[in-house]
Amino acid sequence: ETGVTQTPRHLVMGMTNKKSLKCEQHLGHNAMYWYKQSAKKPLELMFVYSLEERVENNSVPSRFSPECPNSSHLFLHLHTLQPEDSALYLCASSQDVAGGADTQYFGPGTRLTVL
Amino acid sequence: AQKVTQAQTEISVVEKEDVTLDCVYETRDTTYYLFWYKQPPSGELVFLIRRNSFDEQNEISGRYSWNFQKSTSSFNFTITASQVVDSAVYFCALRAGGGYQKVTFGTGTKLQVIP
Repeated sequence: ETGVTQTPRHLVMGMTNKKSLKCEQHLGHNAMYWYKQSAKKPLELMFVYSLEERVENNSVPSRFSPECPNSSHLFLHLHTLQPEDSALYLCASSQDVAGGADTQYFGPGTRLTVL
Repeated sequence: AQKVTQAQTEISVVEKEDVTLDCVYETRDTTYYLFWYKQPPSGELVFLIRRNSFDEQNEISGRYSWNFQKSTSSFNFTITASQVVDSAVYFCALRAGGGYQKVTFGTGTKLQVIP
């Protein structure tokens, strides 16, 4: 089974909608990450969870709300987004967040379009 | 602070040519980790290699090879006898050692292999 899966793969939403992105990892890892990838910009780290505890919250607007119910699942809840939030949202996981076990493995991403 | 520079924004080569993707990094840490990822049009970042700062041995994996030189702070990636399937965006990344440190990604080099 694919290591890191993300659903949906594509999402179009209006600015007043509420939606959620889902990520699941099948690698037995303890850490999970959300990244935002916009055109012409570097990959932006949004959130990091280690053993379901948030390790990093990288000055992300409150309209993005992460949830990590267990070490295999990570959600990104979206509400009242702006058109500039349109991007590819990538989920990743790693064995741990530090030391020699932090190589991140990525999912295929969710292409989000906000109208 | 960490910084990764991939000066080549886009490269086009004809199939079977060799191509080198440059990566220059900056860090004040003596322990750090370097990574290369491939992002095909499907969107998923695929992990290619990880190298720690104490291991300057070059590595070869099939048609891929990596040249790590601490003296010039470079970690270049060469594809020998390029193929159309190598067309993708390639990202170099850096993480400082120690406890949790976020990964700094370069802006990527888009490689187009023309048949």
